[in-house]
Parts: sequence; C-alpha cells; structure tokens
Amino acid sequence: AAGVIQSPRHLIKEKRETATLKCYPIPRHDTVYWYQQGPGQDPQFLISFYEKMQSDKGSIPDRFSAQQFSDYHSELNMSSLELGDSALYFCASSEGGTDIQYFGAGTRLSVL
Amino acid sequence: AQSVTQLDSQVPVFEEAPVELRCNYSSSVSVYLFWYVQYPNQGLQLLLKYLSGSTLVESINGFEAEFNKSQTSFHLRKPSVHISDTAEYFCAVSDGPCGNKLVFGAGTILRVKS
Repeated sequence: AAGVIQSPRHLIKEKRETATLKCYPIPRHDTVYWYQQGPGQDPQFLISFYEKMQSDKGSIPDRFSAQQFSDYHSELNMSSLELGDSALYFCASSEGGTDIQYFGAGTRLSVL
Repeated sequence: AQSVTQLDSQVPVFEEAPVELRCNYSSSVSVYLFWYVQYPNQGLQLLLKYLSGSTLVESINGFEAEFNKSQTSFHLRKPSVHISDTAEYFCAVSDGPCGNKLVFGAGTILRVKS
C-alpha cells in the first residue's frame, strides 16, 4: 500500500540558509499535518491543511511557511535557518472525516 | 490545551516478561487517545487508538491499552514482550477524532533484553 512520502530524507544546511521540505500524502488523503521532533523530544505540531486551506496552526515560527497544492502535496518552507531548527520533520496525512494520521519516515534537517 | 504525561522515559525489561508503559492525559470533555510506536530511524506507526466504546483496545501484535476516565490514564500493556518490540512509544491525545492535531507525550523507550 502507498504510504506518505517525504523528501528529502536528509538535508544539511548552514545557518541563515533556506530549506524546502516536501510531503506527498497517501492517495485520496486530503489533510496534511507537519510535526517537528527535536533531538530526544516528542513531536510538536506545526501546521495542518485540509483541502488546500490551512486548518490549524501550532508552534510554527514566523520564518516558516507551508502550503498544500492542488494535487494535495505539501511543502514546508524554512528561511533564515537557525541551529535550533535541526530536527526530524514529520508529515502525516489523513482522509477527511477519519481519525488516523499516517506518518511519513521524516526529513532529518541538520543546520550547521 | 490538552497535554500528555508519560511517566517513564525508559523501561528495560527481559524478553517474555510483561510490560506496562504509563500515560496520563489532561482531563477534557472529549478525548481521543492514541499510542504510536517509532522504531529507530523510522516514522511513527499507529499502534492503537481509543475514540469511544469499549475502554479496552487491542492491537494486532499483542499490545492493549485501557482507557480509564476516572484516573485520566491510557496505559499500554503487553503480557509477553519480544526483542522486536524494542522501540520508542508515544502516547498522544487529540481534541477530536477527525482532522485534529495530535499532542504527544515525551515518549518511553522500551528496551527488551534477552
């Protein structure tokens, strides 16, 4: 069965650079969620989209932005990267009206 | 705001022994509870969920969890663990069953020893 695809799997950036993380949800899933998991931390909700509209917002810095496109894939754009942005970024998707979020393998971002 | 407390950061246990991973949540009118498992270098996989109905929920690999409203707990149990159960387990809560963000606990690392 198709799963949530995230790319890239690993990303190395330097401070003040920008990064774009991509998420391809499971086919027919219309809701996408982004979570950030710092080293040794629990995942923290960043933002979510339903039918290409932002549906909820968590602790996402102003330096970050995200959107969901017409094909339902989503991109998380991160600018002016800081050392503290180093983390594992998860994307999850769900089908509208259902309760299960399926997670991708994550993108590990390292900011040097 | 919802919150989740996982009381144990690490739980070492011998193979074939029983295990309980503890989870407490902040009280709310409606609460939906989940356990996710994360194997090394992998994403989060749903283990089991409680939305309504029977307070005892089971997964296909022998884990079970019981929703206890009076104690605001959702502890995860397995009567006999295997080496392959070694992973980090996250308890999570959401405000609603559909389309709501998950709030995770800090995680419990289960280390199964032979």
